[in-house]
Amino acid sequence: EAGVVQSPRYKIIEKKQPVAFWCNPISGHNTLYWYRQNLGQGPELLIRYENEEAVDDSQLPKDRFSAERLKGVDSTLKIQPAELGDSAVYLCASSAPGQYGYTFGSGTRLTVV
Amino acid sequence: AQSVTQLGSHVSVSEGALVLLRCNYSSSVPPYLFWYVQYPNQGLQLLLKYTSAATLVKGINGFEAEFKKSETSFHLTKPSAHMSDAAEYFCAVSDPGGYQKVTFGIGTKLQVIP
Repeated sequence: EAGVVQSPRYKIIEKKQPVAFWCNPISGHNTLYWYRQNLGQGPELLIRYENEEAVDDSQLPKDRFSAERLKGVDSTLKIQPAELGDSAVYLCASSAPGQYGYTFGSGTRLTVV
Repeated sequence: AQSVTQLGSHVSVSEGALVLLRCNYSSSVPPYLFWYVQYPNQGLQLLLKYTSAATLVKGINGFEAEFKKSETSFHLTKPSAHMSDAAEYFCAVSDPGGYQKVTFGIGTKLQVIP
């Protein structure tokens, strides 16, 4: 089966510009997660979806970050406007009902200059 | 709130030597515990997980970990290191059952010396 697919793999943008990341989870995985991994750190949860509903977005900086998961399948994470401190790897993961342990995508490495 | 502490941000071992990566957890309830591996420029891959069954858990690539409640530890081991084991390893913890928000440690980079 195909894994969790993320695009783009790399993105370099100037500060104050918008950027979007896309994720397609494993078929049948109803739970989707967006994580941010800063250099030298472990991943930190930004938002979790159960199907199309965002059920945990407490760590999402809502002033500039937004996410959507239309139809409960693929998802988009957006930053507008980007700041220098947003440089990080953005990881998407998914899991099936009752599954403990996620399947991660390869991530998008964002560099804001 | 749960948390994990990974002792040693960098660990070096010789090829063929024992690998021991340390993880201690803090949780108000018996937790679920995980080890993930991350190769350069890749996402995280689940190595193994403890979900309250056997305390000794075997994972992929010859790794195993033992849940020790008395020591609040979940150390990762492999009897003989291989060059391909060089990567970053993350310990993670969650509450059992239901929605289990997973909290990751800061990671340990394993270097394998030929």
